Amino acid sequence: DTAVSQTPKYLVTQMGNDKSIKCEQNLGHDTMYWYKQDSKKFLKIMFSYNNKELIINETVPNRFSPKSPDKAHLNLHINSLELGDSAVYFCASSPMTQGFGELFFGEGSRLTVL
Amino acid sequence: DQQVKQNSPSLSVQEGRISILNCDYTNSMFDYFLWYKKYPAEGPTFLISISSIKDKNEDGRFTVFLNKSAKHLSLHIVPSQPGDSAVYFCAASAGSNYKLTFGKGTLLTVNP
Repeated sequence: DTAVSQTPKYLVTQMGNDKSIKCEQNLGHDTMYWYKQDSKKFLKIMFSYNNKELIINETVPNRFSPKSPDKAHLNLHINSLELGDSAVYFCASSPMTQGFGELFFGEGSRLTVL
Repeated sequence: DQQVKQNSPSLSVQEGRISILNCDYTNSMFDYFLWYKKYPAEGPTFLISISSIKDKNEDGRFTVFLNKSAKHLSLHIVPSQPGDSAVYFCAASAGSNYKLTFGKGTLLTVNP
């Protein structure tokens, strides 16, 4: 019974295509995130949503558009894929926006753009 | 601009010995620090944390030490076990929010 689940786990696609990655959490958390782990292994925050409202947007190209239909779901849609978009994308959630504590991560979605 | 640095990409220790993983940070606004553990093809999982008002936090075999003046923290694992073999990420946040800044990670290998 996975707490934070992402689909698909692997995605291989051509440059210029549009793709989506879905994320769902069953922890009852209010806040969800997308992180990107690039080829240099850094995990960097991309977006954060709290109760369907965007609260963090970290200088990510407009081709990336997060969508949160409800507080348990945060999907990531990427338009016009580029080679540099190849990375592992991690979804995460936390119980609140403010406070000290940890994030709960999904297993990651490895995107390969050819 | 790496605000959180893990300068050792890898570390190898013998089972039963101590593993010490190091992390340095540059942003003096960071006030909460976390260690995550990551196995291949899995997401990072939370291990242990420490707030800036403390200099040590212990949880079983895992202890995190914080030296604010040096902007340095370390994770000690005693005794190390083969199942501890994983990538360990240091992370930090500032101002009581969940926006974490991660280091590049250190691959720990514990040899039987």
